Amino acid sequence: QPVLTQPPSASGTPGQRVTISCSGSSSNIGSNTVNWYQQFPGGAPKALIYSNNLRPSGVPARFSGSKSDTSASLAVSGLQSEDEADYYCAAWDDRLNAYVFGTGTKVSVL
Amino acid sequence: EIQLLESGGGLVQPGGSLRLSCVASGFTFNDHVMTWVRQAPGMGLQWVSEMSGRGGSRHYADSVKGRFVISRENSKNTVYLQMDSLRVEDTAFYFCARRSSGTYYYLDNWGQGTLVTVSS
Repeated sequence: QPVLTQPPSASGTPGQRVTISCSGSSSNIGSNTVNWYQQFPGGAPKALIYSNNLRPSGVPARFSGSKSDTSASLAVSGLQSEDEADYYCAAWDDRLNAYVFGTGTKVSVL
Repeated sequence: EIQLLESGGGLVQPGGSLRLSCVASGFTFNDHVMTWVRQAPGMGLQWVSEMSGRGGSRHYADSVKGRFVISRENSKNTVYLQMDSLRVEDTAFYFCARRSSGTYYYLDNWGQGTLVTVSS
């Protein structure tokens, strides 16, 4: 069972800002950094944000991350049609001794 | 260019076994923790197992502990996942992923996945 909770869906029109939340606990987000992954249908996940708010090379600056206590957020500014995908948060869990993913959020561009 | 290529998936009956392989290229293999992540069709991502670069440390998800074994052959740039006592709920795409080196823990490169179907 996933231990990080995300809303199942989020949507916006082109150019809008969309935010996705990720709720955890003291043993995961509260103790460790949060990463975000993007996955298109039929494809492999891709790292989008690491260490709460850092972007791997090649990831557009319109993607940003933040963390506070036991929650984290991913923001997509200036939403584009190509941002339609599934997004997952993830963090190491010290109690489970495992890397845990969020439930995933499907972003739609209206 | 970093590449991860999984193989070994297929159809297996409940209780059966399967060994997945992931061949890596484009980086110094033994410098990185290697990870297996799975995704049941239409579902979310689930971390399965990881193994340190020189093999001294392995971790497993509770759902596979005692049934799956991760191993690696650094001379062949390959990581394996031996899956025994397979269950219907193990049906999923299995992705091989590289963990970033250094202080940041994240999966920075992924393979395209191989499908495991457990069914009678």
